[in-house]
Amino acid sequence: ETGVTQTPRHLVMGMTNKKSLKCEQHLGHNAMYWYKQSAKKPLELMFVYSLEERVENNSVPSRFSPECPNSSHLFLHLHTLQPEDSALYLCASSQGGANEQFFGPGTRLTVL
Amino acid sequence: AQSVSQHNHHVILSEAASLELGCNYSYGGTVNLFWYVQYPGQHLQLLLKYFSGDPLVKGIKGFEAEFIKSKFSFNLRKPSVQWSDTAEYFCAVNGNDMRFGAGTRLTVKP
Repeated sequence: ETGVTQTPRHLVMGMTNKKSLKCEQHLGHNAMYWYKQSAKKPLELMFVYSLEERVENNSVPSRFSPECPNSSHLFLHLHTLQPEDSALYLCASSQGGANEQFFGPGTRLTVL
Repeated sequence: AQSVSQHNHHVILSEAASLELGCNYSYGGTVNLFWYVQYPGQHLQLLLKYFSGDPLVKGIKGFEAEFIKSKFSFNLRKPSVQWSDTAEYFCAVNGNDMRFGAGTRLTVKP
């Protein structure tokens, strides 16, 4: 595997479910990100981890909970989501915070 | 607050037409600038980037962009588009953090 991988690629869940999204980067980067991509809206930065420490949380609801156990892995734990949380969730990584970010293919999430 | 604006939501061109997509940002400090492309069903890929130096930067697939500091702009250009350029294009600006524009959908008719 090369680059940034994300699993699952598609996820359908009910509002009472608990699920997790997984991201893995094979680029040796030291920063990882979660974004939310909704139609006709800018990518929304949700969480930033640098050197495995969370450095930014853009007022994301607590029903989204990130976890970064090491520099290569990033998780997004989901619980009691709302239908408006349906979107494409993208993971990215970079070497340092100012450089270009490399994106995974995303997880298409549908909340029923 | 830092923000990025892409004025064109959907652009439709015929093959061989010239392309220019606008991108403006608001941020008073030093920025790194990027254009990303998302082909149908694929992930976001970097087209080109500007950190410093020559404000006219060349990227992959014949794309280029010009940074005009006085206008806070970083427009993307291509002299002659191809059907395979059909995609969504995102401008991104990294000042305090990375901010993306809403994207411009480009449709190239064969």
